[in-house]
Amino acid sequence: DVKVTQSSRYLVKRTGEKVFLECVQDMDHENMFWYRQDPGLGLRLIYFSYDVKMKEKGDIPEGYSVSREKKERFSLILESASTNQTSMYLCASSELVPTGELFFGEGSRLTVL
Amino acid sequence: QKEVEQNSGPLSVPEGAIASLNCTYSDRGSQSFFWYRQYSGKSPELIMSIYSNGDKEDGRFTAQLNKASQYVSLLIRDSQPSDSATYLCAVTAGGTSYGKLTFGQGTILTVHP
Repeated sequence: DVKVTQSSRYLVKRTGEKVFLECVQDMDHENMFWYRQDPGLGLRLIYFSYDVKMKEKGDIPEGYSVSREKKERFSLILESASTNQTSMYLCASSELVPTGELFFGEGSRLTVL
Repeated sequence: QKEVEQNSGPLSVPEGAIASLNCTYSDRGSQSFFWYRQYSGKSPELIMSIYSNGDKEDGRFTAQLNKASQYVSLLIRDSQPSDSATYLCAVTAGGTSYGKLTFGQGTILTVHP
């Protein structure tokens, strides 16, 4: 069974803290993505990666960075968390040849106070 | 200007009726189109994909694509309460995209007994 695992389901952080969100997939997928989901805005792409150490900005990369040191792991980093980064963060993976099917993790709900 | 726009919800239909969900997109280079379903508190899951103009049927679901009008829709026949969810339209970007999807804001569907 395919699986994308996000390290934390719920996090509460304070403004200015550094936040790490971890994502691991066991499907040997080349592509990995970080989206955030907010009511009324749908899913918005933050960053994606199509290979180890490769990354591309999505639609809303400001305030975020990513790391992909191993094929199965894709990390999202908030260098200095702000209240407007309170959101649901979804990690996803897919095969290199795009079929459009993204496999999502269960999500990480981040609250920044 | 939003790249993928879905009809505003929420949409409420009686059990057994046809639910119609609509989506327009702005990128004429888009090649692939998808419908994801997201139950409350869960991650999105792919339910339909369509790549060429016309209709594609899968059980009670029919996806319709009109590239000239930049329009894609999802019909759910014989709607059931278990179909109550948020439906997300997603579109691949034109050109090299590595499977990157742009999502609409989602339409909440409620099927009442």
